[in-house]
Amino acid sequence: DVKVTQSSRYLVKRTGEKVFLECVQDMDHENMFWYRQDPGLGLRLIYFSYDVKMKEKGDIPEGYSVSREKKERFSLILESASTNQTSMYLCASSPNGPLGPNYGYTFGSGTRLTVV
Amino acid sequence: AQSVTQPDIHITVSEGASLELRCNYSYGATPYLFWYVQSPGQGLQLLLKYFSGDTLVQGIKGFEAEFKRSQSSFNLRKPSVHWSDAAEYFCAVETNAGKSTFGDGTTLTVKP
Repeated sequence: DVKVTQSSRYLVKRTGEKVFLECVQDMDHENMFWYRQDPGLGLRLIYFSYDVKMKEKGDIPEGYSVSREKKERFSLILESASTNQTSMYLCASSPNGPLGPNYGYTFGSGTRLTVV
Repeated sequence: AQSVTQPDIHITVSEGASLELRCNYSYGATPYLFWYVQSPGQGLQLLLKYFSGDTLVQGIKGFEAEFKRSQSSFNLRKPSVHWSDAAEYFCAVETNAGKSTFGDGTTLTVKP
């Protein structure tokens, strides 16, 4: 069964810390995405990537960066965590890259991050 | 800009009753449309998708959805709801180049 694995289900970090959220997919998908999910705000796209070394800003990239050194791994980095980054973070992947249709995302189980 | 509206924030149905969750989209071209389900504390799971062809699409867990271009709608239906269907449901439209825009979700409660 295809999978997207997020390394942590729950994280508690202190304000100002640098935080790494890891996501690995085993489906050889080109596209990978990071969303955050907050009550009343739905899913908001932070960053996405169509291929190794490539990254594009989503709707709310401020305070975040990403890294995609290998096709299967897409990391989200909070450079200096703040309390307003407390959220559920969802990683997703899909095939085909920027020239093909999105056949639907496969999501990870999410990482609930609390910044204190 | 592309957008997805799910008019119902919360719906309650009795077990065994039929279900319809509404979704309206705004998109200039032919849309690719999706429904996802999210159980508490979990990621989203793809229920079904529409790309072209038959406007009634079948998905997993006994769900179906109908695409109506004239109404810009893609409503999700199930003939008989089970208690395990209680979850949050998200409609999404693919925007440019493989990205999706999601609705805010509808929470389904199932009464025994």
